[in-house]
Amino acid sequence: GAGVSQSPSNKVTEKGKDVELRCDPISGHTALYWYRQSLGQGLEFLIYFQGNSAPDKSGLPSDRFSAERTGGSVSTLTIQRTQQEDSAVYLCASSSFPQGTGNEKLFFGSGTQLSVL
Amino acid sequence: RKEVEQDPGPFNVPEGATVAFNCTYSNSASQSFFWYRQDCRKEPKLLMSVYSSGNEDGRFTAQLNRASQYISLLIRDSKLSDSATYLCVVSSGSARQLTFGSGTQLTVLP
Repeated sequence: GAGVSQSPSNKVTEKGKDVELRCDPISGHTALYWYRQSLGQGLEFLIYFQGNSAPDKSGLPSDRFSAERTGGSVSTLTIQRTQQEDSAVYLCASSSFPQGTGNEKLFFGSGTQLSVL
Repeated sequence: RKEVEQDPGPFNVPEGATVAFNCTYSNSASQSFFWYRQDCRKEPKLLMSVYSSGNEDGRFTAQLNRASQYISLLIRDSKLSDSATYLCVVSSGSARQLTFGSGTQLTVLP
């Protein structure tokens, strides 16, 4: 497909379980972002990958959250020991321009709705 | 104070009306500014970048006021399809991190 692909689209899990969310960016896009959005709220930055550089992890809310990007393409966001407050839509975005260039048009995936019971 | 603040609305306007939203930002060194739109239960999509001199794209006009630290979005001749949440995005800090506002909800009524 031509767009950003995220899977699963919905994930229901029990408190304390680990979850993995996947993002497949647009081919050739070097910048990849993870955000989360709670109901009726804005987007909260989580992590940013740019090429082979060290990621900007400054938005990760706790050490239960981690992300990796393999081969500069697909990314997975892992949440360990999920809590109810982790329930949100997790959005991935990619861009052909690095953050800070002023040209960074972000293309978003349709998100993963995570529900922690 | 939040880095990026928007009036959450909702703004309910009749078709054909002109409506404007403001977005204030706290970091005077912010460099880049954007407006995104997000339809209900959908992902955000870039509407337009905001340039220092102001810019227009059809019925949409974006302006930047650095002295007062706000950007604005003006929509003329509103259409039903303009109903959405409009997100203000600001790039600032040494890493030029993108910060999203919480959004302004617009409903255009027939």
